[in-house]
Amino acid sequence: GAGVSQSPSNKVTEKGKDVELRCDPISGHTALYWYRQSLGQGLEFLIYFQGNSAPDKSGLPSDRFSAERTGGSVSTLTIQRTQQEDSAVYLCASSPRTQNTEAFFGQGTRLTVV
Amino acid sequence: KQEVTQIPAALSVPEGENLVLNCSFTDSAIYNLQWFRQDPGKGLTSLLLIQSSQREQTSGRLNASLDKSSGRSTLYIAASQPGDSATYLCAGEGGSEKLVFGKGTKLTVNP
Repeated sequence: GAGVSQSPSNKVTEKGKDVELRCDPISGHTALYWYRQSLGQGLEFLIYFQGNSAPDKSGLPSDRFSAERTGGSVSTLTIQRTQQEDSAVYLCASSPRTQNTEAFFGQGTRLTVV
Repeated sequence: KQEVTQIPAALSVPEGENLVLNCSFTDSAIYNLQWFRQDPGKGLTSLLLIQSSQREQTSGRLNASLDKSSGRSTLYIAASQPGDSATYLCAGEGGSEKLVFGKGTKLTVNP
């Protein structure tokens, strides 16, 4: 595609429900990153993929968070039993590879847990 | 562990002024430094990427420099316009193969 696509753009969910956030990277980009941006905070790294494998999951806040990538393309970030502190904008980025290449971001998914 | 700091946190200037945004990082073993722009409620737009072997990059009215030895990067904006108003973020990529972001500088250009 022309750019990184994320869906949904907005999601309101009740506390305790599970949510899935989707990221469609730029075609041919092997590296894919998930970040979280809370109100008034900087970007917090969550996880990155090289192909379908995730060499670095160190940023996932708890075991309620998981992510997968299939076919070296689409990635899904799943949050189980959502809590109010999970409310944030979740941003996805892709780049041709890791190291020394430009990263391109999607428009993000704004998650609100009520 | 790489840490990235941006100063100032906010900046307000009159239209037409030239300005400099600062970014500092703690780990000089950096592969590249990327500058982004974020408009309210939007994602990040890549402005410039400076690879470790380069000292600066230019795009239109924007010029970014990288000094690895001092752990600094600057983004120079010439002849600022109201449309330049946004939050500017810098991010460094090191051996961890992930971008580490500063908290950004919120720029307001007044007509």
